[in-house]
Amino acid sequence: GAVVSQHPSWVICKSGTSVKIECRSLDFQATTMFWYRQFPKQSLMLMATSNEGSKATYEQGVEKDKFLINHASLTLSTLTVTSAHPEDSSFYICSASSGRGTGELFFGEGSRLTVL
Amino acid sequence: AQSVSQHNHHVILSEAASLELGCNYSYGGTVNLFWYVQYPGQHLQLLLKYFSGDPLVKGIKGFEAEFIKSKFSFNLRKPSVQWSDTAEYFCAVKTSYDKVIFGPGTSLSVIP
Repeated sequence: GAVVSQHPSWVICKSGTSVKIECRSLDFQATTMFWYRQFPKQSLMLMATSNEGSKATYEQGVEKDKFLINHASLTLSTLTVTSAHPEDSSFYICSASSGRGTGELFFGEGSRLTVL
Repeated sequence: AQSVSQHNHHVILSEAASLELGCNYSYGGTVNLFWYVQYPGQHLQLLLKYFSGDPLVKGIKGFEAEFIKSKFSFNLRKPSVQWSDTAEYFCAVKTSYDKVIFGPGTSLSVIP
C-alpha cells in the first residue's frame, strides 16, 4: 500500500510553545489529508480535513486557531499546535487519500506530543 | 450526525475460538465501510473494505465482514483466532462527504 510518513514521531515541549507535526505522502499525491487525535485506549477523533491549496475544514469543537493546518502541496500537510498546554498532550495521526475514489485512507505512524 | 458504534469494548478469547465483532453505523446515504487493525505499538492497517457488490468481503489474515444494509451493520468475523490477532480493531465509515468516521474500537486479547 501507499506510504504516509509523520515527523516527529514523538515530541516533548514546554507549555506555551508551539509544535509543528509534518505528514508526508511518500509515493502518491494526496489531494486530501485528515488529522486525527487519539487519546489513550480510545478511538480516533477526526480533527480536520485539509485539501491541497485550500483552507482546512475543522470538526465541531476543534479550535482552528489552536490547531493550524496547512496543506501547501500534494505531498505535505502540517499540523501546528499553538501555545500548547498539557491538555494538548495526545497522539496525533494523519492520514491521506489519493482521491482516486477508493476511499481508502493510508495512515502515518503517529506523533506523540507531551506538553510539560 | 454520522456515528459508528462497536458492540464490545474488550473481548477475550482463547486461541482457535471464533470471533465476531459488531459494528453499526448511522448514516442514511451511500457508505464505504472499513475495518482497521492496530497492533500494539504499530500504526493502523486496513483489514478489509466494502464499496459495493458482494456484501461478504474477505480481507487479510483470514478476516471477513458482512455488510447488512437493512441493519446498518458491518460485522467482522474470523473462524479461528490466533494469539497474533491480539490488537485493537476499529470499524470505520466513509460517507459521501469523504470523511471517515471511526468507531470507539474493540480491544481483542487472545489467550494462547
